[in-house]
Amino acid sequence: EADIYQTPRYLVIGTGKKITLECSQTMGHDKMYWYQQDPGMELHLIHYSYGVNSTEKGDLSSESTVSRIRTEHFPLTLESARPSHTSQYLCASSVGEGFRTYSPLHFGNGTRLTVT
Amino acid sequence: DQQVKQNSPSLSVQEGRISILNCDYTNSMFDYFLWYKKYPAEGPTFLISISSIKDKNEDGRFTVFLNKSAKHLSLHIVPSQPGDSAVYFCAAKNYGGSQGNLIFGKGTKLSVKP
Repeated sequence: EADIYQTPRYLVIGTGKKITLECSQTMGHDKMYWYQQDPGMELHLIHYSYGVNSTEKGDLSSESTVSRIRTEHFPLTLESARPSHTSQYLCASSVGEGFRTYSPLHFGNGTRLTVT
Repeated sequence: DQQVKQNSPSLSVQEGRISILNCDYTNSMFDYFLWYKKYPAEGPTFLISISSIKDKNEDGRFTVFLNKSAKHLSLHIVPSQPGDSAVYFCAAKNYGGSQGNLIFGKGTKLSVKP
């Protein structure tokens, strides 16, 4: 049962359009993340947030932007979609981590984006 | 260069037998390892994890083994069930890296045949 919700599940859109992928969680987690995954490939971190008004870029460069105005909400925006943005986008949240401890990421079901 | 490698893209096992999924890593700073399972059209779900100070962790039918000297970990599923058919991702955490940044392998697709 998902406590982290992503909408839309699937999106097909033309080049140049602005899009926002929604992500909301009901678990009260401070930390939230966006991962990108192409078929048969690894998940790559593109954005993360420690809490409200905190956002950082991940290890994979992305033209998308994120915002964190509320704890439960972490939307991702592409100002001008291109075919190279076609991918699956996965949102996740967690409690956090310490040395040799880790609270596993809890993922949403993803948004599969196709830009034509 | 990939820091977490799953060299077998797919694995097929008969129901009731053991499934062994393998993962190799290169970064000796990884301090925590996890396995995630992913069904089609769903997000990954956490399966089992192990700290770098341990060499084995067991949870029901799932056991993860860690061999630090070989930089290798494996996931054993015994007995395998058709519902275990999914893509399994190995992931590692680098303490001191980006908060919560897990380094993922490319996944192994497990098919359990009735």
